[in-house]
Amino acid sequence: QVQLRQWGAGLLKPSETLSLTCAVYGGSLNFYSWTWIRQSPGQGLQWIGEIDHGGSTNYNPSLKNRVTLSLDTSKNQFSLRLSSLTAADTAVYFCARGLLTLAARPLDYWGQGLLVSVSS
Amino acid sequence: EIVLTQSPGTLSLSPGERATLSCRASPSVSSDYLAWYQQKPGQAPRLLIFGASTRASGIPDRFSGTASGAESTLTISRLEPEDFAVYYCQQYGSSPEYTFGQGTKLEIK
Repeated sequence: QVQLRQWGAGLLKPSETLSLTCAVYGGSLNFYSWTWIRQSPGQGLQWIGEIDHGGSTNYNPSLKNRVTLSLDTSKNQFSLRLSSLTAADTAVYFCARGLLTLAARPLDYWGQGLLVSVSS
Repeated sequence: EIVLTQSPGTLSLSPGERATLSCRASPSVSSDYLAWYQQKPGQAPRLLIFGASTRASGIPDRFSGTASGAESTLTISRLEPEDFAVYYCQQYGSSPEYTFGQGTKLEIK
C-alpha cells in the first residue's frame, strides 16, 4: 500500500522560506509525477507544481518565481521550497502522486497535509 | 487558463437520495482530462473518478461520472451517510497544469 508522509516547519515568518518534504512508502518514484497542492483555510485547492520521475518540473505561473521542486531518488522523497513568504501563503500543503499515463493525470495518493502558518 | 465552475455551491439532500453535481469548463476541455475528488474535513482529497467516467480503485459503484460537451457530471445514486463532504472537479492541461473547481458542499438535509 502506497503511503505519502510529509513534514516540515509549520510556523514561519514573512520573507522566510517554506521547506517541505514528502516521503513515498510502498512504491517507487518512477513513472509517476509528484505534485504539491495547497488549500487556504476554508478555501479551495491550488496547484503549486509538479515534478516527474526524471526531474522535469512544471510550476503554477502565479508562484513560479518563488517555487522550487526537487527529487531525491535515493531516499524516495520529493521536496518543495517556497520563498519570500507572506501571510497569503498560509495554507494546508499537500503532496500527492499523479498518474502520468492518464490524460487527467489524476492524483491517487495524497499526503496527510500540513498546516503552514506565516505570521510575524 | 481553464476555469472550472461547479454547481450548485451547496446541495442539501437526505441519505438514500440521488445527488447530481455539475462541473463546467471554460474553455471546454476533453472529458479525458477531468477528474473528481471527495474531501472530508481535516482530510486530504480522495480520488473518485478520472477520465470523466472511470472509477478509481475501491470507489463504490454508486459513484458515476458522465460528460457532455463542456459539462461533466458526478452522480451519487443513493447517498450514504459517509458521502456528505465537499466534491471538487479537476482538469489537467494547459498552464497552470492543474486547475480545480471551487467545490460543491454536499450536506445532510
